[in-house]
Amino acid sequence: NAGVTQTPKFQVLKTGQSMTLQCAQDMNHNSMYWYRQDPGMGLRLIYYSASEGTTDKGEVPNGYNVSRLNKREFSLRLESAAPSQTSVYFCASSEVASYNSPLHFGNGTRLTVT
Amino acid sequence: DQQVKQNSPSLSVQEGRISILNCDYTNSMFDYFLWYKKYPAEGPTFLISISSIKDKNEDGRFTVFLNKSAKHLSLHIVPSQPGDSAVYFCAANIISGTYKYIFGTGTRLKVLA
Repeated sequence: NAGVTQTPKFQVLKTGQSMTLQCAQDMNHNSMYWYRQDPGMGLRLIYYSASEGTTDKGEVPNGYNVSRLNKREFSLRLESAAPSQTSVYFCASSEVASYNSPLHFGNGTRLTVT
Repeated sequence: DQQVKQNSPSLSVQEGRISILNCDYTNSMFDYFLWYKKYPAEGPTFLISISSIKDKNEDGRFTVFLNKSAKHLSLHIVPSQPGDSAVYFCAANIISGTYKYIFGTGTRLKVLA
C-alpha cells in the first residue's frame, strides 16, 4: 500500500550542481505532478503529465525539466541548482487529469541549495 | 498575486468544539474547490471538495460551505479532535479549464485536549 514514493527524502546541493528527484506511484494512475511548497506561498505546480508520453508546464517551470519514464514514474531534474530552488518538493498522482480527480501526494523531498 | 488566500496562518481550538477554517479567492472563474490536510513530514491528503453548483457539502465531521457572491469558502470540523491537528490547504480550479489547482498558503490547526 505504498501509494506515491519519492526519493530522496532530504538533499543538500551546492549552487550549480544537478540532481534528479524520483517519483513512483503504484495506483495505476494516469496523471502525475510535481509541486513545490515554500513558506507563505502554498503549493505551486511545477510540471505535470496528464498521461504517459505527455508533459506540460505548470506555474513555476523555470529551472526544471521532467521525464515521464513510464506510467509509474515521473522524475524532476534540476540541471543547475540555485538557492531559490530551496524548497520542499511533492510529487502527486491522480486517476485522470480532471478537476474532480483528487491528488495523492508523496511525503516530499526537502532540498536545500547552498 | 495570491488568487487563493487563507488569511489565518494558525488556529487553536479546544477538543470537542467547532473548528472553522476560512479561504477566500479572487478569481470568479473558479468553480471547484478542495480541502487537503497535511501532517508534518507527510504529503497532503484529500479531505473534501465542493463544486460551485452547491453551497454545502458534508462528509462525517467535515462540512465545506461555499459563498460564491463573497468568493469565500469555509471548512467546519465538528467536533474537533486532537488528531485533526494539522495544516489545512484549500485549493481552487476551473472545471472547464486546464487542470491546474491553485493552492492557498495553509492554516495550521491545533486542537487542544
